[in-house]
Amino acid sequence: ETGVTQSPTHLIKTRGQQVTLRCSSQSGHNTVSWYQQALGQGPQFIFQYYREEENGRGNFPPRFSGLQFPNYSSELNVNALELDDSALYLCASSFAGTGNGYTFGSGTRLTVV
Amino acid sequence: GEDVEQSLFLSVREGDSSVINCTYTDSSSTYLYWYKQEPGAGLQLLTYIFSNMDMKQDQRLTVLLNKKDKHLSLRIADTQTGDSAIYFCAESPASGGSYIPTFGRGTSLIVHP
Repeated sequence: ETGVTQSPTHLIKTRGQQVTLRCSSQSGHNTVSWYQQALGQGPQFIFQYYREEENGRGNFPPRFSGLQFPNYSSELNVNALELDDSALYLCASSFAGTGNGYTFGSGTRLTVV
Repeated sequence: GEDVEQSLFLSVREGDSSVINCTYTDSSSTYLYWYKQEPGAGLQLLTYIFSNMDMKQDQRLTVLLNKKDKHLSLRIADTQTGDSAIYFCAESPASGGSYIPTFGRGTSLIVHP
């Protein structure tokens, strides 16, 4: 059983640029959630995808968008990057309708300069 | 205020028990979780408890839930240096079948010899 894999592991972007982060979900999982973790903070929910549609969204602006593909992998896109977008972005997968927790990837460390 | 609150630091001696506490505000919480995050890594699910339970034991880990006071604790018996990490408490309601966890800021556990 493969876990959740994220790419790239690290990324440096300039303010105003756009970025795409990728995630492969754990085998057998059909739901993907994205979280932003700023330094010294807990993960903050960005959104969740199920059946290729957004299934819930946290308090993030529309310049944060996502996709889920038929193989349950997912992308997080952030437009017009701001310095405050610098964070660890975590992808987590789960099986819809179960509450027994998420499997997280190791994250992508995004630095905006 | 925060939906999930935890103390930020806990220091224990190797071999002692560690108790990490958490309070939450959402009375509709269905599942409550403990995750562990080591430096540079994603979150690892340690254990979870359903809201109709008051205790769950899993090897060295014991979770206690006081639903009336909305208080959750994680006890680690015989704490080892390898247990040094950040521990996150999280809660999720069963909203439309989606169990989207809300995380606290994390408790940094330091284990010294």
